[in-house]
Amino acid sequence: RKEVEQDPGPFNVPEGATVAFNCTYSNSASQSFFWYRQDCRKEPKLLMSVYSSGNEDGRFTAQLNRASQYISLLIRDSKLSDSATYLCVVNILTGGGNKLTFGTGTQLKVEL
Amino acid sequence: EAQVTQNPRYLITVTGKKLTVTCSQNMNHEYMSWYRQDPGLGLRQIYYSMNVEVTDKGDVPEGYKVSRKEKRNFPLILESPSPNQTSLYFCASSPRSRLAGYEQYFGPGTRLTVT
Repeated sequence: RKEVEQDPGPFNVPEGATVAFNCTYSNSASQSFFWYRQDCRKEPKLLMSVYSSGNEDGRFTAQLNRASQYISLLIRDSKLSDSATYLCVVNILTGGGNKLTFGTGTQLKVEL
Repeated sequence: EAQVTQNPRYLITVTGKKLTVTCSQNMNHEYMSWYRQDPGLGLRQIYYSMNVEVTDKGDVPEGYKVSRKEKRNFPLILESPSPNQTSLYFCASSPRSRLAGYEQYFGPGTRLTVT
C-alpha cells in the first residue's frame, strides 16, 4: 500500500463548479499535512497547510480526519486558472528529522 | 528575492558520463533535499541534508551522491548516469521550524535525459 494515495484523475469540471479531492495516508504517526499545487512541468508550490480543525483560504477549504487518516481539499467556484495537479503531502517526524511523503497528485482541468 | 536555483535546467547526456546538478538557496535554510519525479510515481526523495556536513539517504538514493559543504549549496552528483535516471529532478529547501510547518520551497526543476 502506498504511504499517500490520491485519485490521479483527471477531473474535468466546468468553470464555477465545486470540486473535492481526497487523499489517504497509511502512517498514523504522520504529524502535519499539506496540499501543494503543481502546474505542468513546473515546481510544486505550497497551496495550504491542513489543520485538524480544518482551514479555509478564499475558495479553498482543507480538512483533516485523523481517525480515518484522510485529507480533503475543496475548491469552490473553480476558475480556469485552477487547472493544475494537486499534491497531497504528509510530514512524518522520524529519527532523521522530518520526512515529507508526496502523493502522485490529482489532475484538475477546469473548462469553459 | 528568496529562491532556490538549479542548474542546468535541461541536460541530455550519455550513459556513464559523470554529471553534477547544482542547487543553491538564499533563504538560510538548514534543510535541503533532492527529489525525482516520474510519471505515475510522484515525487520521491533521493537524499536530504539536515545541515552542513549532514546528509542522509532518502527513498531512492542508488546511483546518486550529494554533498553539503556550505549551507546554501547542495549539489547532486551522478557518477555514472544510466537511462533509468532519466527524470525530472527538484531541489528543495526548508526552515527547520515546527511553526513554519516544514514548508518546502522548490527549485524550478532539472529535466535530465540519459541516452
